[in-house]
Amino acid sequence: AQTVTQSQPEMSVQEAETVTLSCTYDTSENNYYLFWYKQPPSRQMILVIRQEAYKQQNATENRFSVNFQKAAKSFSLKISDSQLGDTAMYFCAFMRLPSGTYKYIFGTGTRLKVLA
Amino acid sequence: DVKVTQSSRYLVKRTGEKVFLECVQDMDHENMFWYRQDPGLGLRLIYFSYDVKMKEKGDIPEGYSVSREKKERFSLILESASTNQTSMYLCASRSGGTSYNEQFFGPGTRLTVL
Repeated sequence: AQTVTQSQPEMSVQEAETVTLSCTYDTSENNYYLFWYKQPPSRQMILVIRQEAYKQQNATENRFSVNFQKAAKSFSLKISDSQLGDTAMYFCAFMRLPSGTYKYIFGTGTRLKVLA
Repeated sequence: DVKVTQSSRYLVKRTGEKVFLECVQDMDHENMFWYRQDPGLGLRLIYFSYDVKMKEKGDIPEGYSVSREKKERFSLILESASTNQTSMYLCASRSGGTSYNEQFFGPGTRLTVL
């Protein structure tokens, strides 16, 4: 069975600084996706970034980038130039391929606070 | 834009009441999901449905049932609410198929059982 572990329940960062959120996972699968989702206070959860396991290149989306280490089963999220709007719960998630009806496996989340 | 809506943002019920949580999506997605979100436990899957009238148990189905009579609507039912079901409930939907499809979430229903 797959598991996803986020070892940092809470983190804080000063505005404009860089912060890295950690995620490790355990799977025997070779083809899968990894995701970071963001849940702002009292708002809808949205996808931040995704990474296909077969791609060696780390995914980036503007100020968000990942460090994907397949052998180490590590998938960290780096947020550069942190903004107050980045304050949210961040969830790491795993899904194996082919997806079909397959469910996501979520970590327990990291609450990030960006300080002015 | 994909929209996943949930019938209530906040709900307060009494122990023993029957509770219905409704979820509607407008993008013709095959798959729909109900999660429960609790501090320190993340998102846990209660039930999911991959087609009309089809359902499968997730990781924590005890005390819950679901109904999917129409493709766009997926209901979560608490037959007899208990205080340990006080939680945030999130609905999600996703297109089917073997390739990647993004999962979209509703705004959540915060249920309090007194």
